[in-house]
Amino acid sequence: GAGVSQSPSNKVTEKGKDVELRCDPISGHTALYWYRQSLGQGLEFLIYFQGNSAPDKSGLPSDRFSAERTGGSVSTLTIQRTQQEDSAVYLCASRVGGAPETQYFGPGTRLLVL
Amino acid sequence: GENVEQHPSTLSVQEGDSAVIKCTYSDSASNYFPWYKQELGKRPQLIIDIRSNVGEKKDQRIAVTLNKTAKHFSLHITETQPEDSAVYFCATINDYKLSFGAGTTVTVRA
Repeated sequence: GAGVSQSPSNKVTEKGKDVELRCDPISGHTALYWYRQSLGQGLEFLIYFQGNSAPDKSGLPSDRFSAERTGGSVSTLTIQRTQQEDSAVYLCASRVGGAPETQYFGPGTRLLVL
Repeated sequence: GENVEQHPSTLSVQEGDSAVIKCTYSDSASNYFPWYKQELGKRPQLIIDIRSNVGEKKDQRIAVTLNKTAKHFSLHITETQPEDSAVYFCATINDYKLSFGAGTTVTVRA
């Protein structure tokens, strides 16, 4: 079946511009996560959705970052007034709300802020 | 929050030899321990996982061991092949949240 998809796959933007990154989770997966992976680094947790609610936003680095999820499906991560340090791969993952706990990752969006 | 330490950060092995990666964690409530493999430019893919009621699990050339008392778990890859070259991440879960180790870059020399 279809896996987690993300768009765009690559995004180049100028410093100060806003960007929107999209995640389409696996159908029926109620839990959705956003992570950030800087070059050669590990995975940094950003935000967790259960349904349309975000009970854990603790990983969002600043108030320039926000995310929403509608219809219990698609999620959008928005970065306002982008900075060069925002350059990274943004990964989305989804899983069934309960057990099993396995998270399935999307291919990521590679963001480059010039 | 959970703190997961992963060692070594890089590992170079001769094809056919074994590779071992170790992780330690701090939260005794953690009960699920997955390992992800990430090839260059690709998404992380789950390769094996273990739950806290099991001490060891094998899947062909890979195995994972868990010591809950000592709070550490390890990934073992036997008979390594060039396609095993990748970054490997360990993780733990507590409730809904995965905490990842920093990753181990494994290079298999032909």
